[in-house]
Order: sequence, then structure tokens, then C-alpha cells
Amino acid sequence: SQELEQSPQSLIVQEGKNLTINCTSSKTLYGLYWYKQKYGEGLIFLMMLQKGGEEKSHEKITAKLDEKKQQSSLHITASQPSHAGIYLCGADTNLGRDDKIIFGKGTRLHILP
Amino acid sequence: DAGITQSPRHKVTETGTPVTLRCHQTENHRYMYWYRQDPGHGLRLIHYSYGVKDTDKGEVSDGYSVSRSKTEDFLLTLESATSSQTSVYFCAISVRETQYFGPGTRLLVL
Repeated sequence: SQELEQSPQSLIVQEGKNLTINCTSSKTLYGLYWYKQKYGEGLIFLMMLQKGGEEKSHEKITAKLDEKKQQSSLHITASQPSHAGIYLCGADTNLGRDDKIIFGKGTRLHILP
Repeated sequence: DAGITQSPRHKVTETGTPVTLRCHQTENHRYMYWYRQDPGHGLRLIHYSYGVKDTDKGEVSDGYSVSRSKTEDFLLTLESATSSQTSVYFCAISVRETQYFGPGTRLLVL
């Protein structure tokens, strides 16, 4: 079965600094999703990547999928307190009609003012 | 806003009692999912549905059942709640291969 490993598990950065979160898959990724979760709330969809080498940006958050489609990174530029939360990556299992996603365990991001 | 609501948002119950959580969507999407989120385990799929009366088990389905008699509602039932089912439960729908999540239900089983 496919597994996703996120690193680091937890991250504390000073406001204004850049940071990167990684997501590594045990199998080829057919679709890679990034979600953000504020503490105590639901998941918010950020981006989806499908093609090797693909890169997408939303405001100050950029996500990339490597050429081999087994690793993705999420990069935040000039972090702000609003970026704090849990970031989860999810992978399309490519098992057919059910659109199932498996998730990594998440990275907790704290921003120090 | 994907038009997903969950009820109740918080619930405290006792071991051995049945509990039903409701997920409601407003846009008639075909696929719906129930997850639980626990520290150290992340999000794990309990059950999912691909249409009215069409459901299937996920990774952690033991002790849970689901029903979908209408497109818009997906119910999760804990047949006899146990303390190990204390968790945060999320419902999700799939829209063009992307899942969108409800706000969650916090369940405490005493």
C-alpha cells in the first residue's frame, strides 16, 4: 500500500522567514494534494499537482512535484502568522472510480511574531 | 465553501451507546467520505460512498457503519461507542477529483 511521509513533523519559524515542507511517497504519485488545517478546524484545499515537474503558486505558497513524481515540496515565502496551522499532503491512490486519497500525518507550523 | 455541513459539531457520549453523525452537502456530488483524525495517525478513511446506497469500507471501518439513502446525506453510525472512538470526524466530498472537507465533529466517548 502507498504511504506518505511528511517532514518535518513540526516547524517553528520567525515571522518573515521562508520555510519548506516535504512530502515523500513510497510509490509514484498520480495526484498530489496539499491542504491546510487551522487548529480545531476543517481542511482547506490549497493545490493539486499531477505532472512531473509541475509547480503551482497561491499567494506566498508554492508547491512543486518532482520529475519522478515521488516527492513534493511546499514552500512559504515571507511567512506570516496567518500561515500557522497543520499542512497535510494527500495522494491519489489511482485505484479507479472512488477518488480516494491517502494522507500524510501532517506538519505543524508555528509562526513566531 | 463546498456546501458541506456536519452535525453535531460536538458530542459527549458514554461507552456502549450508539451515536450517529450526519454529513450534508448541498450540491449533489456523487462521492462522499468519512475520516477520523487522531494525533500520530493523521487522517484515516472510515467509509466512503459513490452513490445512493453504494458504500464501501475504508482503512478503519471496524465498529462503524454508514448509510446513504439520499444523495445529499451521508450518515456515520458508531454502533456501540468505545473510548477508542474518541476523535475528530471529518466528512468530505469529491469535486472533479479534489476532496473538500466539512468543519468536523468532535466526539468524546467517556
